[in-house]
Amino acid sequence: EAQVTQNPRYLITVTGKKLTVTCSQNMNHEYMSWYRQDPGLGLRQIYYSMNVEVTDKGDVPEGYKVSRKEKRNFPLILESPSPNQTSLYFCASSSQGRSYEQYFGPGTRLTVT
Amino acid sequence: SQKIEQNSEALNIQEGKTATLTCNYTNYSPAYLQWYRQDPGRGPVFLLLIRENEKEKRKERLKVTFDTTLKQSLFHITASQPADSATYLCALDLNTNAGKSTFGDGTTLTVKP
Repeated sequence: EAQVTQNPRYLITVTGKKLTVTCSQNMNHEYMSWYRQDPGLGLRQIYYSMNVEVTDKGDVPEGYKVSRKEKRNFPLILESPSPNQTSLYFCASSSQGRSYEQYFGPGTRLTVT
Repeated sequence: SQKIEQNSEALNIQEGKTATLTCNYTNYSPAYLQWYRQDPGRGPVFLLLIRENEKEKRKERLKVTFDTTLKQSLFHITASQPADSATYLCALDLNTNAGKSTFGDGTTLTVKP
């Protein structure tokens, strides 16, 4: 089954404790992206990757890091999480050479206390 | 600055009627525009994509129009059903290789039986 998976689905952590949210897709997509969704602010793009070893900032990259060492994986790293990073995070992928439609993961709900 | 606005936060209609959702943008020249459906607690699901040189696209009960002069897209659901109740998001991409996606805040549609 074609899908985007994220782990963990739920995470409660404390300020300053480094964490990684994993994202993996099995569709051989070149493009992957991370978004955060907050009430009243909609979906905002954090980082995206056009292919392996190619990443770029979205609209809200501060406080986040990403890497794309393999085509299928695109982890989101919070080196020193803060309460304002409490949010619902989504990973997405698409095949830029076909229809550009994005396939989204199930989401990761992060709470930073 | 660039901005995307979806007509209203909430839209309530009676079953069987046509729902019309609006997506307006300013200071963009998008290559294409997409519409997604999002159910509570879940990732967005792709519905339709329309390119800058297309005026209209249809898929079953869904229809999207794209007016680059008015800087507006309309999304129609005909013969609406309670199962169509969800939040609908529009998303703009500037060109086919930019990778940067910007989403509107969404319109929550409720279809009453």
